[in-house]
Amino acid sequence: SQQGEEDPQALSIQEGENATMNCSYKTSINNLQWYRQNSGRGLVHLILIRSNEREKHSGRLRVTLDTSKKSSSLLITASRAADTASYFCATEASGSRLTFGEGTQLTVNP
Amino acid sequence: GAVVSQHPSRVICKSGTSVKIECRSLDFQATTMFWYRQFPKQSLMLMATSNEGSKATYEQGVEKDKFLINHASLTLSTLTVTSAHPEDSSFYICSAGDGGNQPQHFGDGTRLSIL
Repeated sequence: SQQGEEDPQALSIQEGENATMNCSYKTSINNLQWYRQNSGRGLVHLILIRSNEREKHSGRLRVTLDTSKKSSSLLITASRAADTASYFCATEASGSRLTFGEGTQLTVNP
Repeated sequence: GAVVSQHPSRVICKSGTSVKIECRSLDFQATTMFWYRQFPKQSLMLMATSNEGSKATYEQGVEKDKFLINHASLTLSTLTVTSAHPEDSSFYICSAGDGGNQPQHFGDGTRLSIL
């Protein structure tokens, strides 16, 4: 069963704007990961943040993790049309097994 | 970086046919691989954990006899959808990782359409 919840389910913004997606989970975790999926394709790993970390950056991506609230956020700054995709959070509790959130469909309009 | 290769990318076949999907880790050894199913506009649902040299671990509600998993080597896991029916039509994705607390590497998925 999926334990992650993401909001919003869909987000439509203009190029250049920032996009923020949120993820909540229910159990203790080792890490939380964010993935991107283009339509009809596999998933591409974006960032992994461990349970003892609070913030991580990678290029235009910024991920925060609040284990007390069991939530995470993904911020994409200065968005581009090529960022249009579905974004999923996934939590790892043990043994590499991932539990995925419901995903956010991001549309960046040129 | 590490790459997972999944084949075929698309299968269209008649009802009753058995379909085999391969998942290969190309430059690392994967003792564990995972198989997911994804319906349109939905998230990934874990079907089973494929363990090298031993039986797969299936998630609740997934039919073991319908979805046969074989993980005969450290670089190859196969999922066979036996006697497929239209309701088995879906997007199937595999993943593998280098161990715990590491990112998973995903195949490009297989679009299965049963007529």
